[in-house]
Amino acid sequence: NAGVTQTPKFRILKIGQSMTLQCTQDMNHNYMYWYRQDPGMGLKLIYYSVGAGITDKGEVPNGYNVSRSTTEDFPLRLELAAPSQTSVYFCASSSSDSYYGYTFGSGTRLTVV
Amino acid sequence: GNSVTQMEGPVTLSEEAFLTINCTYTATGYPSLFWYVQYPGEGLQLLLKATKADDKGSNKGFEATYRKETTSFHLEKGSVQVSDSAVYFCALVLIQGAQKLVFGQGTRLTINP
Repeated sequence: NAGVTQTPKFRILKIGQSMTLQCTQDMNHNYMYWYRQDPGMGLKLIYYSVGAGITDKGEVPNGYNVSRSTTEDFPLRLELAAPSQTSVYFCASSSSDSYYGYTFGSGTRLTVV
Repeated sequence: GNSVTQMEGPVTLSEEAFLTINCTYTATGYPSLFWYVQYPGEGLQLLLKATKADDKGSNKGFEATYRKETTSFHLEKGSVQVSDSAVYFCALVLIQGAQKLVFGQGTRLTINP
């Protein structure tokens, strides 16, 4: 059982470039989330989705976009990358029962130069 | 709003010492509470959880009790090992709605042999 798979693991972008961070889960979870973790800080919610076709903004959505065309996939799009987007990005999923908490991917380390 | 406050780190202990990491929360409803652990270079893993007042979560020798009267969920371990060195995150989620996890800022723990 793969759980939550994120690709790529590392990426360096130049200012103004765009990219998509991929996230796939195979647990049939309805809820999916994108967080960013800045050095020495906790995790901040970027976007989340409660099901296919439904997405909503989290705490820090500016500069990002998401889509949820299937239950399994929840890609995060960065348009016009900026140095402030240098961070580690984590995708997570959960079932409708919060008792089980989240399952996290292993993260994508992004550097914008 | 909902928030989680953890004791500030970093925390450095000797092997076999007693560990306490304090966590308090503010929530508008009745949250479930979690401790996650992040080992170097990895994503977050669920360590333990509690879903209602007076519940005790436990795993790998770690324990935490959901104290509604003090709005706390302190993490404890009687005898730490070098392998416990990691960053520990306290988090809450409300069962209603999209179940967005709210994280504390994390506490970096280093255990010296």
